[in-house]
Amino acid sequence: KNEVEQSPQNLTAQEGEFITINCSYSVGISALHWLQQHPGGGIVSLFMLSSGKKKHGRLIATINIQEKHSSLHITASHPRDSAVYICAVSHSRLTFGEGTQLTVNP
Amino acid sequence: DTEVTQTPKHLVMGMTNKKSLKCEQHMGHRAMYWYKQKAKKPPELMFVYSYEKLSINESVPSRFSPECPNSSLLNLHLHALQPEDSALYLCASSQRQSYGYTFGSGTRLTVV
Repeated sequence: KNEVEQSPQNLTAQEGEFITINCSYSVGISALHWLQQHPGGGIVSLFMLSSGKKKHGRLIATINIQEKHSSLHITASHPRDSAVYICAVSHSRLTFGEGTQLTVNP
Repeated sequence: DTEVTQTPKHLVMGMTNKKSLKCEQHMGHRAMYWYKQKAKKPPELMFVYSYEKLSINESVPSRFSPECPNSSLLNLHLHALQPEDSALYLCASSQRQSYGYTFGSGTRLTVV
């Protein structure tokens, strides 16, 4: 079993829809990261969380330390949100989930 | 400056060539990382430098040779690579090891 599990693997949405991507982990962590990667591109760090909730524009990330679970929400999704979203956890190193490929259609 | 800059963005090299990838940051981060990413896979850790000393080598073949000349610069020297080494090579830095990462945009390497 992977230390970091993401769901869904693939997600297709219509523009304007509310999107949720989930991440569960099985190790003790110092922080959880949500990352975004566009095709062929580098990685952009969206959030680093150790508790609670963070919001940046249309993106919201939450973490429940007791449940070892985090969610990334995108409100009013837009085609430019299409990318791979990766959950990663910091412990002795950064451990990545397999990523969620999000496609938002106009 | 809040970026990690990687050069070149694209590199094509033959199996007998020697080339280097460069990574630079001016955020005062003391940990720097090399990752290798194959298509549709998450990044795989290769090397970690902490305070300019190599702290983690994930059993990477010796044809990859990292170097950290100073706290702002990280190089990856490449020699006698194989076609299966073709990948996106990502550099990252953090304030200290395993905390607050910033990633570069990567070097797309093709070995022919």
